[in-house]
Amino acid sequence: RKEVEQDPGPFNVPEGATVAFNCTYSNSASQSFFWYRQDCRKEPKLLMSVYSSGNEDGRFTAQLNRASQYISLLIRDSKLSDSATYLCVVNRRGSTLGRLYFGRGTQLTVWP
Amino acid sequence: DADVTQTPRNRITKTGKRIMLECSQTKGHDRMYWYRQDPGLGLRLIYYSFDVKDINKGEISDGYSVSRQAQAKFSLSLESAIPNQTALYFCATSDLVTGMQYFGPGTRLTVL
Repeated sequence: RKEVEQDPGPFNVPEGATVAFNCTYSNSASQSFFWYRQDCRKEPKLLMSVYSSGNEDGRFTAQLNRASQYISLLIRDSKLSDSATYLCVVNRRGSTLGRLYFGRGTQLTVWP
Repeated sequence: DADVTQTPRNRITKTGKRIMLECSQTKGHDRMYWYRQDPGLGLRLIYYSFDVKDINKGEISDGYSVSRQAQAKFSLSLESAIPNQTALYFCATSDLVTGMQYFGPGTRLTVL
């Protein structure tokens, strides 16, 4: 079973729509959680960390459910510039390696 | 100036050639990583290093070697390139406290 599973999409939504991505992780020892954004042929960039209590950054809201080993990202009022691939990323508790485990990504296209 | 840089950005080579990809960082991080990305497969870890004296294999190290010349420099070598090593290669560093990783712009390698 893969460490991190994501629906690959693609998600195609109109501007202004709300879209949600889900992600599950297999190792209950996972400790840190992130969403990264990757534009076509560019490097992944950190979008936001995911905290146990949930957190919001502007139009983006991240949620974590440790019991279900589930992470979500909600994007409100989608913009054309939100078109990208979104990577779900986890890090294990107790790991001294700093190793992150990446999902394969969910592709989002926002159309005018 | 970019915090993590990679050279070359693009490279086309022939089967059997030795290739070196270089990575430099100004973030002052001890931890550095090399990944490859293939369409549909996501990011896969090749090698990682905690500090200058530490080198560890990732999940797909066969056919690759690395050298950590200094805290700021981490090089990836393909001793004898083969076509299935055609991919996008990323170098990354990580923050010890948060575990967040920061990626270089990538090297697009084509092996003919």
